[in-house]
Amino acid sequence: AQSVAQPEDQVNVAEGNPLTVKCTYSVSGNPYLFWYVQYPNRGLQFLLKYITGDNLVKGSYGFEAEFNKSQTSFHLKKPSALVSDSALYFCAVRDPNTGGFKTIFGAGTRLFVKA
Amino acid sequence: GAVVSQHPSWVICKSGTSVKIECRSLDFQATTMFWYRQFPKQSLMLMATSNEGSKATYEQGVEKDKFLINHASLTLSTLTVTSAHPEDSSFYICSARDDKVSSYNSPLHFGNGTRLTVT
Repeated sequence: AQSVAQPEDQVNVAEGNPLTVKCTYSVSGNPYLFWYVQYPNRGLQFLLKYITGDNLVKGSYGFEAEFNKSQTSFHLKKPSALVSDSALYFCAVRDPNTGGFKTIFGAGTRLFVKA
Repeated sequence: GAVVSQHPSWVICKSGTSVKIECRSLDFQATTMFWYRQFPKQSLMLMATSNEGSKATYEQGVEKDKFLINHASLTLSTLTVTSAHPEDSSFYICSARDDKVSSYNSPLHFGNGTRLTVT
C-alpha cells in the first residue's frame, strides 16, 4: 500500500529565508509524487510533480522539490520565503501500477512565514 | 482551464437529515472523480473514487450506505451524507481527473470544498 508522511505539523520561517517542507513516501513501485497547496477554506492547488528524470523539479510560485530515491523523500523547498506563501502544504503519492489514478495525501504541513 | 465547481461551499443541517454535495467539472469531462474528507488536524482522507456510469469504489472503513456517491454524467458527481450526525461534520473536497489527459502523471483538479456542520 502507498503512504505519505509529513513529519512536521508546522514550519515557521522568516520572510526572505529559505524554507523546506519535508515529505517521505512508501510505495511498492516507482512513485509519482506531487505537492499541493491549500489556502483557508479552499480546495488544493497543484504546485509541482516528479515523474522521472531530473531529481530537482521546479514548480509554481518559485517552489521546487528534490526527489531522493534512497531516502524515499520528496522535500519541498523555496530559496526565499514570502509572507504570501503561508498556507497548508500537502505531499501526495500515486502508484499507477497498483492504484491507477488514486492519489494518497500526507497529513499536511502548515507553513507560517513571518514578515 | 480545468475548473472544478463544488456546491454548496458550506451547509448546516440538523442531525438525522441528509445533505447532498455536488462536484462539477466546468470545462472538461471527468469519468473519474475523487471524494476526500479533511479532518480538523488537517489530514486529507480519500473516501471514494467516483466512476461515471458505475458504482463508486470506497476506501476501507468508509460506509457506503452513509456516504452515497452518484456519478451520473461526465461532468457531475454527487456525495450525499445520509442521516447525518455531528461526527460527520467536516470539510469535504472533491477532485477530478481530466479525461483528455490520460497520463498517470497528471495532477488532480480540486473543488473549493464544502464545510458541513451537523447540529
